[in-house]
Amino acid sequence: EAGVTQFPSHSVIEKGQTVTLRCDPISGHDNLYWYRRVMGKEIKFLLHFVKESKQDESGMPNNRFLAERTGGTYSTLKVQPAELEDSGVYFCASRRAGGSYNEQFFGPGTRLTVL
Amino acid sequence: GNSVTQMEGPVTLSEEAFLTINCTYTATGYPSLFWYVQYPGEGLQLLLKATKADDKGSNKGFEATYRKETTSFHLEKGSVQVSDSAVYFCASWMDSSYKLIFGSGTRLLVRP
Repeated sequence: EAGVTQFPSHSVIEKGQTVTLRCDPISGHDNLYWYRRVMGKEIKFLLHFVKESKQDESGMPNNRFLAERTGGTYSTLKVQPAELEDSGVYFCASRRAGGSYNEQFFGPGTRLTVL
Repeated sequence: GNSVTQMEGPVTLSEEAFLTINCTYTATGYPSLFWYVQYPGEGLQLLLKATKADDKGSNKGFEATYRKETTSFHLEKGSVQVSDSAVYFCASWMDSSYKLIFGSGTRLLVRP
C-alpha cells in the first residue's frame, strides 16, 4: 500500500508569488489533514477534510491560504500571495473513516522557503 | 484549550545512554497520547501511543506511560543508538476535535 505522498518536496519562491502544494492520501482514506511547522516550533493543525468537505478549517492562518479537495481524492494547498512568515514545512496526513482515533499517516512534508 | 509541552532540545547523548524526553499535556478531558518521530529526510512516523490512563506504549525499545495524575507522557529508552537520532514530537488527540495537537519537538543527537 502506497503511503501519503506530497509534492514538491521543496519549494523556494519570492515574497508575493503563488505556490501550490499537493497531497495524495492513502487510497480509501476519507480524512485528510494539513499541518505545518514554522521555524522549529510546534506542528500546528491547519485544516481537516472529510472526503471533499472541509470539516474544520480553524487553523488556517488567513485568507491567503486556500485548500481544496475536489473529488475527495488528492488535495491542494495554495498560498497566494506568499509572505516571509509562510516559510516552514507543510505536512499532509490521512486517516481512514471512523469516529474514534485511527492512526494518521503522514507524508514526508513540503519545505516551503519564501525569500 | 488543549496543548502539549515538551522539553526543548537539542538533546545530545552518547550511544547506550539513557534517554528521557519530557512531555506534559493540558486537556479538557482524557486525550489519547502519542509520540511521533521524524528521521532525517523522512516524514513523521508514529512511534507509540497510549489511549487511557496508566497505559504504557512501547516500540523499538522506547516506552512512555500515560500518567493522569501528573498529566505527563514522558518518552524513555534505556540504551540509545546512533540510529535514534531524530526529532521527537509528543502529541494529543481528543475524539471531539479529530485533530492532533503537537508539542514543539525535541531533536535528539546520539554520538558514537
